Amino acid sequence: GDSVTQMEGPVTLSEEAFLTINCTYTATGYPSLFWYVQYPGEGLQLLLKATKADDKGSNKGFEATYRKETTSFHLEKGSVQVSDSAVYFCALGGSAGGTSYGKLTFGQGTILTVHP
Amino acid sequence: DAGVTQSPTHLIKTRGQQVTLRCSPKSGHDTVSWYQQALGQGPQFIFQYYEEEERQRGNFPDRFSGHQFPNYSSELNVNALLLGDSALYLCASSETGAREQFFGPGTRLTVL
Repeated sequence: GDSVTQMEGPVTLSEEAFLTINCTYTATGYPSLFWYVQYPGEGLQLLLKATKADDKGSNKGFEATYRKETTSFHLEKGSVQVSDSAVYFCALGGSAGGTSYGKLTFGQGTILTVHP
Repeated sequence: DAGVTQSPTHLIKTRGQQVTLRCSPKSGHDTVSWYQQALGQGPQFIFQYYEEEERQRGNFPDRFSGHQFPNYSSELNVNALLLGDSALYLCASSETGAREQFFGPGTRLTVL
């Protein structure tokens, strides 16, 4: 079945440092890929998405490129801020017509802490 | 434009009891999905409702059931609660055929 693997955390950075959170996936067909962010005590917010190979999703300075050849969707940001401290989840949406269509499969999450 | 709303925010139950959680989808959305998020874990898909029917189901026992109403709102019911059912329950909504889902703030269920 579909699965998502995220780099083990937590990740601790200083403000203005470069961020990379690795995400790889296993899926059949042509899934969509997402990054969600969860702030303490809140639900998940969609950060960015990509629906086909080589698409780049971007939002609020974060970027991720859908790499089918390496089955990856790594999250990057050039300069993190304290306000970026949160838990980040990589997620996969199943292909149309597949058994996983309609559901999201999540990675285990990566805790990011940014210090001033 | 109101986003996805859930009620209640927090709930405390004892083992063996039954619980009902409620969700109202984002305006314009007709599909509702439910997820269970245990502490320190990623959300796990429970099921999805569309046109008042369960369209997709994850690996959860029959103790977990749901309903969708004509106005697209939804309920999640859990019977015979176990300690392991303690989690954050997230509702997500989406438009027909869309893959991205928008999440509510969740209901924190504690089973004692």
